[in-house]
Amino acid sequence: QKEVEQDPGPLSVPEGAIVSLNCTYSNSAFQYFMWYRQYSRKGPELLMYTYSSGNKEDGRFTAQVDKSSKYISLFIRDSQPSDSATYLCASPGGSYIPTFGRGTSLIVHP
Amino acid sequence: SQTIHQWPATLVQPVGSPLSLECTVEGTSNPNLYWYRQAAGRGLQLLFYSVGIGQISSEVPQNLSASRPQDRQFILSSKKLLLSDSGFYLCAWSFSGGGYNEQFFGPGTRLTVL
Repeated sequence: QKEVEQDPGPLSVPEGAIVSLNCTYSNSAFQYFMWYRQYSRKGPELLMYTYSSGNKEDGRFTAQVDKSSKYISLFIRDSQPSDSATYLCASPGGSYIPTFGRGTSLIVHP
Repeated sequence: SQTIHQWPATLVQPVGSPLSLECTVEGTSNPNLYWYRQAAGRGLQLLFYSVGIGQISSEVPQNLSASRPQDRQFILSSKKLLLSDSGFYLCAWSFSGGGYNEQFFGPGTRLTVL
């Protein structure tokens, strides 16, 4: 079992929809979580990070962590075609080497 | 601010030829450096990481090697490329010390081995 699991999708939504992207993790040592956005043929870019349970908001993006169920979510409000990308969740787990999920492909169609 | 560069951006090489991909980081000292490969539709596969000059750890046995000749320079090499080496190669850095340090990725090199 991989330590961080993501449904690869693709997830296809209409413009303006609320998008929910999810990860599950198995290692209780994971305390810090990151979301990356990767456009096609580009390197991943750090979108958000969060240390603790609860919600963290940044513009249209909200990261949510539920440590009791080992569940991580990224919500995108008012989704735009420019949000179409692959979203990867990750956790450093306290080491030099983050564990990445495989990523979920999101398509926002006009 | 910090920036990370990779080159070349794209590369087409014949099977059996050598490879050298370069990555440099600006604006920070003693970063942790990483090489990843991302095959089409697949996740990130960590190949090598380095916490200092001359210190290289390999995660996957293969025909690739890495070197760190300078503090902010990381090189990925191969003496003889295989078809299976095709993919998207990403260099990344993080602040030294490990722990809760997010990684920052370069633009990537798309390698096609024919």
